[in-house]
Formats: sequence, C-alpha cells, structure tokens
Amino acid sequence: GQNIDQPTEMTATEGAIVQINCTYQTSGFNGLFWYQQHAGEAPTFLSYNVLDGLEEKGRFSSFLSRSKGYSYLLLKELQMKDSASYLCAAMDSNYQLIWGAGTKLIIKP
Amino acid sequence: IAGITQAPTSQILAAGRRMTLRCTQDMRHNAMYWYRQDLGLGLRLIHYSNTAGTTGKGEVPDGYSVSRANTDDFPLTLASAVPSQTSVYFCASSDGDGRPDTQYFGPGTRLTVL
Repeated sequence: GQNIDQPTEMTATEGAIVQINCTYQTSGFNGLFWYQQHAGEAPTFLSYNVLDGLEEKGRFSSFLSRSKGYSYLLLKELQMKDSASYLCAAMDSNYQLIWGAGTKLIIKP
Repeated sequence: IAGITQAPTSQILAAGRRMTLRCTQDMRHNAMYWYRQDLGLGLRLIHYSNTAGTTGKGEVPDGYSVSRANTDDFPLTLASAVPSQTSVYFCASSDGDGRPDTQYFGPGTRLTVL
C-alpha cells in the first residue's frame, strides 16, 4: 500500500532550527513535495525534490533520500509566523499526490 | 489576481440535501482536483480531472460527483449529503502536462452536514 508518515506535532523555540521528517512508501515515485498550511487556510507550496540531496531556499531546506524513502524539511532562524502545519506528499507513478497527515509546528518565544 | 476561487466559504447542510461546491481557476491549468481534509488525516483525493471533458475517481469518490465542461470550472456535487461528509473541501489545480508539477489550492469550503 501507499503510506506517508510524519510526526503529529513538534515544538521549537523562536530563532532555533527544526527538522521535520517524513518517510514514504508509494507505487512508483515522481518526487516529494512539502507544503505549509496555516490554521484555517489553504496549503501553499514550499519545495519539491526528485533527486537525492539537499535543496536550499532561504530559511527553508528540503532533503531527499530515494533509497531510504525519506525526506526532511529544515527550517532555520524560526519565526513566530512559521507556526503552521507542514504537509509531506509523495507523487506516485500516476502523478497523484499521496499526503501525510501533517506535522503541526508550534513556535515558542 | 490569478488563482483559484471556491464557493461557498462555509455551509451548514441538512442530511439528505443536495449540494454543489464551486471551484474556478483562471490559470489555464489543465488538471484540477478535489480533496477533503479531516482532522488527523492527510488530504484525500475525491475526484480529479486531467483535462476538460475528462474526470477520474480518487481515493474516496463515493457520494460525490464532478463534471469538467470547460478548463476553468470544476464543480463537486454531493447528491444526498450525509454527516460523514462533514469536512473541509479544497479544490486544486496544476499544469497537468504529464510531468510532476505543483498543485495550487483554493481557500477551501468548510461543510457541516447535520
């Protein structure tokens, strides 16, 4: 079956660094997406990885290991506005996204 | 401003009633999707359309129907609503040209079925 696992909730301190992990199992693989979703709002695209390695985009970086079925999202210099849910989604062989339940990130001052 | 609009923003509906959720995009995207989002679960695909005139079933299609008469509009209909259809519904779109591409989401419709 197809499955995405990510932690339900994480807490971090403003100014710190946090890593949100995601493991996936899909029928075929066409890349790994990360989305951010603030409470009561729509998901918004953060990053896409299809090759192994780290992609850096400002304060946010995303890593992929295809052999391990593993990805992480790294958030640096945390700000209060980063409090949100972070959704991991893997694209299968039919180009459909399989979504994790999301990780709620709580930032404390 | 380009994007996706959904209507209504929220709705309370009596069980057994028929309801259509509207979705319109102005990005000329080929592919469109309907998801539901429930607490503790990931987004689940209800129906999708790869191009105008075609539709397909997702993970949880029962009780829902869609149509895609043109590129811009992708309405979702609940023929006879049941309480288990209480959820937040998101419409999304993407280029859909057969390669991995980013999905862009509308603001959502919060539906409560009593």
